[in-house]
Amino acid sequence: SQQGEEDPQALSIQEGENATMNCSYKTSINNLQWYRQNSGRGLVHLILIRSNEREKHSGRLRVTLDTSKKSSSLLITASRAADTASYFCATGTGTASKLTFGTGTRLQVTL
Amino acid sequence: DAGVTQSPTHLIKTRGQHVTLRCSPISGHKSVSWYQQVLGQGPQFIFQYYEKEERGRGNFPDRFSARQFPNYSSELNVNALLLGDSALYLCASSPRATGYGGYTFGSGTRLTVV
Repeated sequence: SQQGEEDPQALSIQEGENATMNCSYKTSINNLQWYRQNSGRGLVHLILIRSNEREKHSGRLRVTLDTSKKSSSLLITASRAADTASYFCATGTGTASKLTFGTGTRLQVTL
Repeated sequence: DAGVTQSPTHLIKTRGQHVTLRCSPISGHKSVSWYQQVLGQGPQFIFQYYEKEERGRGNFPDRFSARQFPNYSSELNVNALLLGDSALYLCASSPRATGYGGYTFGSGTRLTVV
């Protein structure tokens, strides 16, 4: 079963704009990770945020985590056409081995 | 360094047949996990193996089985294939059992059951 949902399901923006995706989850977590998937291929790990962290940056990516609301957001600044992909959040409980993925956001960046 | 490699990349099978998917993790990674991704959905956890022992199992029927070899490569086996088994099967490796720090995924095996 899916842990939660991403919102929106699909997002279309122009190059240079910022893209924000939200993720909600259901159970207590140890960490939350974001992955990118191009055209139904393998997933690429983008960033991990621990449950005791509120915000994390990596290049043009900014992730926030609100454990009280069981939600996270991924911000991609100054988007590029190459950012076109599906983005998934995934939660880990630390002691358990599995990641539980959300339903994904399809991002389309147009020139 | 080679990433996570999966074989084959594409596969077409008939209902009722058996299939074996293979995965080689990144060198030095001892954990291998398998995920099933049905079109339009997020990946679903099937198995994790660490140091050749099963560490986790998802909500999949007994038709699904896996194993990990001494060189840490892994096989996923699915018996009595159903149309609903059509999906992208992803393998992920990590240095540790918990995957803390993120997993590295392979490009997947796309299985079509007809």
